[in-house]
This record gives sequence, structure tokens and C-alpha cells, in this order.
Amino acid sequence: AQSVTQPDIHITVSEGASLELRCNYSYGATPYLFWYVQSPGQGLQLLLKYFSGDTLVQGIKGFEAEFKRSQSSFNLRKPSVHWSDAAEYFCAVGATTGTYKYIFGTGTRLKVLA
Amino acid sequence: GAVVSQHPSRVICKSGTSVKIECRSLDFQATTMFWYRQFPKQSLMLMATSNEGSKATYEQGVEKDKFLINHASLTLSTLTVTSAHPEDSSFYICSAREGNRGHEKLFFGSGTQLSVL
Repeated sequence: AQSVTQPDIHITVSEGASLELRCNYSYGATPYLFWYVQSPGQGLQLLLKYFSGDTLVQGIKGFEAEFKRSQSSFNLRKPSVHWSDAAEYFCAVGATTGTYKYIFGTGTRLKVLA
Repeated sequence: GAVVSQHPSRVICKSGTSVKIECRSLDFQATTMFWYRQFPKQSLMLMATSNEGSKATYEQGVEKDKFLINHASLTLSTLTVTSAHPEDSSFYICSAREGNRGHEKLFFGSGTQLSVL
């Protein structure tokens, strides 16, 4: 069974600063990996995903993530944060074999200081 | 783009009543739908995986008789919270998978806030 850990519950950065949100997973093989953002009162929006191939994945809103097999990680990055990026970010892991299942991490709440 | 419609967005009910939540994929066929539960400021907890035409697969600790899931067609899945109690109050989110493994996309409904009095 897969699992995913987001070590940081809260992160605060200043607007314009760089951002890295951590995600570590546990799975018997290379899983499918996703990052979602949830804004207050809104649904989940997919930022980016990794299925295979290039380990550096570009997403929407200037986000990118890098899959590192040796570290079982899929950290999300953004070079310059905007105030509108304040939200809850979830990393998710999808099974590549067997039953379709997507497991979400506990989330990281991002606060952006003006 | 693909849209998942979840209805109702908010429901308040009395303890002991049953509540049905609908999840529809509007412009694609979803062979698999997922139901999640989210407590305030917490993550999404997978409750069950629903495949069209077959019984749902429930996660450990989720009561099958409490949370009835029906996936009768490729575009509709329903979650019925039976004999709801205050501890069932939560935010429920459905998602639908489009495409085959390795090329799939997952779309989410906007969620249903259930409040049981």
C-alpha cells in the first residue's frame, strides 16, 4: 500500500521569495505523483503530475516538482511566490498496479507575507 | 475541460436521517470514482473506491453499512450517509478518474459540507 508524508504542516514565506514544499512517499515501485492546491472554499486543483519520463515536471502557475527516486521524494518548488499562492497544498500518490487508489498527504498550509 | 459536479454543496440534517450525495462526471465517462472525507484543516481521507457496475472497495475503518456507495453508471456515483450522527459531520469530496492507467486524470467535485444536528 502506498503512503505519503508532508513533513511541514505550515510554511510562511514572504512574497517574492522562493518556495519548496516537501513530499515523501512510500510505495513498492515508482508511483504516480501529484500536487494539488486547495484554496479556502474551493475545490482541489491539479498543479502538476508525474507518471514517467523527465523527473522535473512543470506545472501551472509557475510551479515545478522534481521526482527523486533515491530519496522517495517529490518536492514542489516555485522561484517567486505571489500572495495569491496562499492556500493548502496536497501531495498525492497513485498506485501504478492493482487497485486504483490515490492517497493524499496531510497537506501544507502556505502563508504569504506581503 | 472535464468537470465533476457534486451535489449538494451543503446539507444540514437531523440526527438519524439519511443523506445522499451525488457525484457526476459531466463530459467524460468515469470508470472509477473515489470518495474522500476531509476534516477541518486536515487532509483528504480516502473512504472508498467505486467502479462502475461493481461493489465499492472500502478503506479500513470505513463502515460499509454506514456509507453506502452506488456507481450505477459511468457518469454517476452516489454516497449515502445512513442514519447520520453528529460525528458524521464533515466535508465529503468525490473525484472521478478519466483515462487509462498512466494517462489518467483525476477531477474533483467541489465538495459537500454535511452538518448533522
